Amino acid sequence: DADVTQTPRNRITKTGKRIMLECSQTKGHDRMYWYRQDPGLGLQLIYYSFDVKDINKGEISDGYSVSRQAQAKFSLSLESAIPNQTALYFCATSDLQGDTQYFGPGTRLTVL
Amino acid sequence: GENVEQHPSTLSVQEGDSAVIKCTYSDSASNYFPWYKQELGKGPQLIIDIRSNVGEKKDQRIAVTLNKTAKHFSLHITETQPEDSAVYFCAASFNDYKLSFGAGTTVTVRA
Repeated sequence: DADVTQTPRNRITKTGKRIMLECSQTKGHDRMYWYRQDPGLGLQLIYYSFDVKDINKGEISDGYSVSRQAQAKFSLSLESAIPNQTALYFCATSDLQGDTQYFGPGTRLTVL
Repeated sequence: GENVEQHPSTLSVQEGDSAVIKCTYSDSASNYFPWYKQELGKGPQLIIDIRSNVGEKKDQRIAVTLNKTAKHFSLHITETQPEDSAVYFCAASFNDYKLSFGAGTTVTVRA
């Protein structure tokens, strides 16, 4: 969905490096999410935010941190990347009244 | 927490035939069950959803059924077309925002 954009789309990095993945949305939604997708495991929630001042851990937050810079921007950071963080990362948004989550196109991260 | 199991992991069907994907969930408090379709190189997109106060919902060639007693729900795609080839994910939630996803089903429609 073009309303939710993620940068970069692909990234290769080395163990120990700090990485930031960015998400922007033009839907005007309050809620934003970060998911990780691994083959055969579906999507797992890393962090979610209901507004700029509200950040919550998901199922697999260890090794990750987030920043909600504005209603439209939600960034995911890997402070010291490790190979088992190699995965597809998706950002999603939803509004307060709706259930539907709208996903971005994803970032493919490879940690060597 | 909620645990969602999805079967089968892969499904190959002849064009025009039906496809059925089944999911089970563990938390009886779950009340929202969406299905997402993910095409290659794209993020998941909602195709249909159902709430626990409804047993079945249809949208053209797609239908979802829910059995709360057995804690399972299914996606039915009729008259499959090549553009239905994708990965499908089921999910469950008791609070609308914290979705627990199944592992996904890769559907291939053979021409």
